[in-house]
Amino acid sequence: GESVGLHLPTLSVQEGDNSIINCAYSNSASDYFIWYKQESGKGPQFIIDIRSNMDKRQGQRVTVLLNKTVKHLSLQIAATQPGDSAVYFCAENQGAQKLVFGQGTRLTINP
Amino acid sequence: NAGVTQTPKFQVLKTGQSMTLQCAQDMNHEYMSWYRQDPGMGLRLIHYSVGAGITDQGEVPNGYNVSRSTTEDFPLRLLSAAPSQTSVYFCASSKRDEQFFGPGTRLTVL
Repeated sequence: GESVGLHLPTLSVQEGDNSIINCAYSNSASDYFIWYKQESGKGPQFIIDIRSNMDKRQGQRVTVLLNKTVKHLSLQIAATQPGDSAVYFCAENQGAQKLVFGQGTRLTINP
Repeated sequence: NAGVTQTPKFQVLKTGQSMTLQCAQDMNHEYMSWYRQDPGMGLRLIHYSVGAGITDQGEVPNGYNVSRSTTEDFPLRLLSAAPSQTSVYFCASSKRDEQFFGPGTRLTVL
């Protein structure tokens, strides 16, 4: 069965605001998570990843937080731009590059 | 580098027909995978390969075959297409952690 799931199917934010996309997982032994961005008509694109030995990891305008106690991770996008409009997936890497994806959150940016 | 390429981009089949979806990568990646994505859903793993000559089943392998005779190519074969196989198919490759996805093949089975 599904081991990762997203909290909201859609999220709408104002341009310039910060966006937070949440994801929960069920297996406490899970140790490697990846966030992907999928634009319309394209394949998923790697954004950022995090392993269970970390609580936080930062990239360019993105931060991933991992809370192992409640089995929750989040993707924060700072100063959201129109180009951030997409569907965002969290995925668990179960080894040998086997990914288990959540259902995705569609992020819409309001001008 | 062309990255991960997939052909065709679109395909319509009749129930019972067979076909092969092509996937190639020019990054010398060891790992390759096939996923399907149904409307409003995340991707689900069909088959994967950790190197030439080695393949294994993913979450939804029924109705699909794969082979990996070279590092570069990882074709996905539909043996007898069914309407339930209508989906968008993505191929991916990776050397270590970051997976690179192809642009997808949109398949409709009538």
